[in-house]
Amino acid sequence: SQQGEEDPQALSIQEGENATMNCSYKTSINNLQWYRQNSGRGLVHLILIRSNEREKHSGRLRVTLDTSKKSSSLLITASRAADTASYFCATAAVDGTASKLTFGTGTRLQVTL
Amino acid sequence: DTEVTQTPKHLVMGMTNKKSLKCEQHMGHRAMYWYKQKAKKPPELMFVYSYEKLSINESVPSRFSPECPNSSLLNLHLHALQPEDSALYLCASSLATGGQGVAEAFFGQGTRLTVV
Repeated sequence: SQQGEEDPQALSIQEGENATMNCSYKTSINNLQWYRQNSGRGLVHLILIRSNEREKHSGRLRVTLDTSKKSSSLLITASRAADTASYFCATAAVDGTASKLTFGTGTRLQVTL
Repeated sequence: DTEVTQTPKHLVMGMTNKKSLKCEQHMGHRAMYWYKQKAKKPPELMFVYSYEKLSINESVPSRFSPECPNSSLLNLHLHALQPEDSALYLCASSLATGGQGVAEAFFGQGTRLTVV
């Protein structure tokens, strides 16, 4: 079963605008990660935020984490057409003696010129 | 080398066939994963290997049989699949964090499987 629900499911913006995606999850986590996927191929890791962190930046990306609300957001500033992709949050948690990464439902981002 | 290589890229197989998907990484990662992804859906975890031992099986049907022959290789053996098993199969690897949660995962480009 999916750990995370993301909204919006789809987002269409113009180049230069900011894009915000939200992720909610259900159980305790060790960290939360965001991934990008182009055209149904491999996923690329964007950023990881640990459960004891509240905010993290990487280039044009800003991630927040609120463990009390079990939610996270990804902000992409000054978007470009090349940012068009699907974005997934993924929660990392321990299951027994192993760790696993569970993906949210994803947001499809379309950036137009 | 931060690459996870999956072969083949595309596979068409009949319901009576036996085939295998292969995944290879040389990053020294001791955790490896198989995911299944249907169109416009998120990846769904199938199996987790940690130090070459199967750690998690997400109640996957026995027609999917994983194998980890060494720390660099991960296979997924397929037998008697159904058309609904058609999907993108993704392999990933990460550092094993000793129960502290998965570190950054590196994904292969996937094998697009069609069962006819």
